[in-house]
Amino acid sequence: GENVEQHPSTLSVQEGDSAVIKCTYSDSASNYFPWYKQELGKRPQLIIDIRSNVGEKKDQRIAVTLNKTAKHFSLHITETQPEDSAVYFCAPRYGQNFVFGPGTRLSVLP
Amino acid sequence: EAQVTQNPRYLITVTGKKLTVTCSQNMNHEYMSWYRQDPGLGLRQIYYSMNVEVTDKGDVPEGYKVSRKEKRNFPLILESPSPNQTSLYFCASVRQGGYEQFFGPGTRLTVL
Repeated sequence: GENVEQHPSTLSVQEGDSAVIKCTYSDSASNYFPWYKQELGKRPQLIIDIRSNVGEKKDQRIAVTLNKTAKHFSLHITETQPEDSAVYFCAPRYGQNFVFGPGTRLSVLP
Repeated sequence: EAQVTQNPRYLITVTGKKLTVTCSQNMNHEYMSWYRQDPGLGLRQIYYSMNVEVTDKGDVPEGYKVSRKEKRNFPLILESPSPNQTSLYFCASVRQGGYEQFFGPGTRLTVL
């Protein structure tokens, strides 16, 4: 089955700095690459996604970049704010299955 | 309001007592899925359903059953719960041809 890893597992940044989380996957047939944000006690929420025919996508302070050859995609958050503190999951899709990474805990320090 | 609902939200039960967690969506989505979430492991897919009467195993199906008799409902059944099924469970749905998953609020299950 698909093997999905995230790095780092925890990340602390100062408010205003940038944060980058990387997701590597094993199945080259994956065609959809989303990032979810999960706050404590809440459901995962999609924050940005990218399809396999696109290399980069940006939405205000958030961007995702995809390298299909190397089988990884990354979440970039600029000008971080305390409300960005949460656990972030990647969940590449292959066929009808979504496989979640183990998560990255981001802490934005004021 | 378009949404996915789950019931109950919290449940404490004992080993061996059959239980059902309901999931319902009002968006006419074809695809529905169940996940369990455990610390450090992310979300792991239990079962999914492509449409009515079509279900398939995910990565961790042992000890669980599902059914899809109607498009809007996808209940998760634990015939004989055990303590290792203590977890946070999420239901999700996706429209046909779509990609974004819409998650329910979660059900926290404790099996004593």
